[in-house]
Amino acid sequence: AQSVTQLDSQVPVFEEAPVELRCNYSSSVSVYLFWYVQYPNQGLQLLLKYLSGSTLVKGINGFEAEFNKSQTSFHLRKPSVHISDTAEYFCAVRRKTGNQFYFGTGTSLTVIP
Amino acid sequence: EAQVTQNPRYLITVTGKKLTVTCSQNMNHEYMSWYRQDPGLGLRQIYYSMNVEVTDKGDVPEGYKVSRKEKRNFPLILESPSPNQTSLYFCASSFLAPSGAHQGQFFGPGTRLTVL
Repeated sequence: AQSVTQLDSQVPVFEEAPVELRCNYSSSVSVYLFWYVQYPNQGLQLLLKYLSGSTLVKGINGFEAEFNKSQTSFHLRKPSVHISDTAEYFCAVRRKTGNQFYFGTGTSLTVIP
Repeated sequence: EAQVTQNPRYLITVTGKKLTVTCSQNMNHEYMSWYRQDPGLGLRQIYYSMNVEVTDKGDVPEGYKVSRKEKRNFPLILESPSPNQTSLYFCASSFLAPSGAHQGQFFGPGTRLTVL
C-alpha cells in the first residue's frame, strides 16, 4: 500500500517567518500530489496540486510546493506566515494508475504572534 | 454555490442501530469518496466511487457500505455501528480530467459520529 509521511506533527513558527512542512511518499510509480489545509472545525480545502509539468507548484494563500521525484518528496513552503495560517496541513497522494487517495497524518502549524 | 453537503453534522447513536450519513454534491463530479479522520491517523479512505453504480473499497471498508444510484449522492451506511467507528467522517468529490487526472477534491463539512 501507498504510504505518506509527514515528518513533523507540530510546527510552531513566529509570524512573518518562513515555514516548510515536509512530506515524503513511498511509490515506485508516477503519482499525483496534493496539499490540503484544515481550519478548526472545518472540512479540508485544496491548497495546491502537482499533476505534471513544472516541479514548482504555486497555490493559494502564498503557499508553494516542490516535487522532487528522486527524493519522493513534496514539501510545502511559505516565505512569510500570518496568524491566519494556523491550521492542520495534510499531504495526499494518488497513484496515476489507481483511484485511491492516501493521506499523511497531518502537520499542525501554529503561528505565534 | 458549488458545495458538498453532509447530513447530519453530528450524530450520537448506540451500538447496533443502523444509520446512514448522506452526502450530496452539486458540481456534477464523477468521483466521490468517504474518509474517516482519527487523531494521529490522518484521513483514511473508506470507499470511493468513479461514477454511478461504480464503487470500490478504500483502505478501511470493514463495517461500512455505500451506494451510488445517482451521480450527485453517495450515502455512507453503517449497518451495525460499533464504538470503534466513532470518528469524524468526510465526504469528498472531484472532477476527472479526460487524462484521468484528479483536479483536487472538494470536501464536505464533516459528520461527527459517536457510537456508545
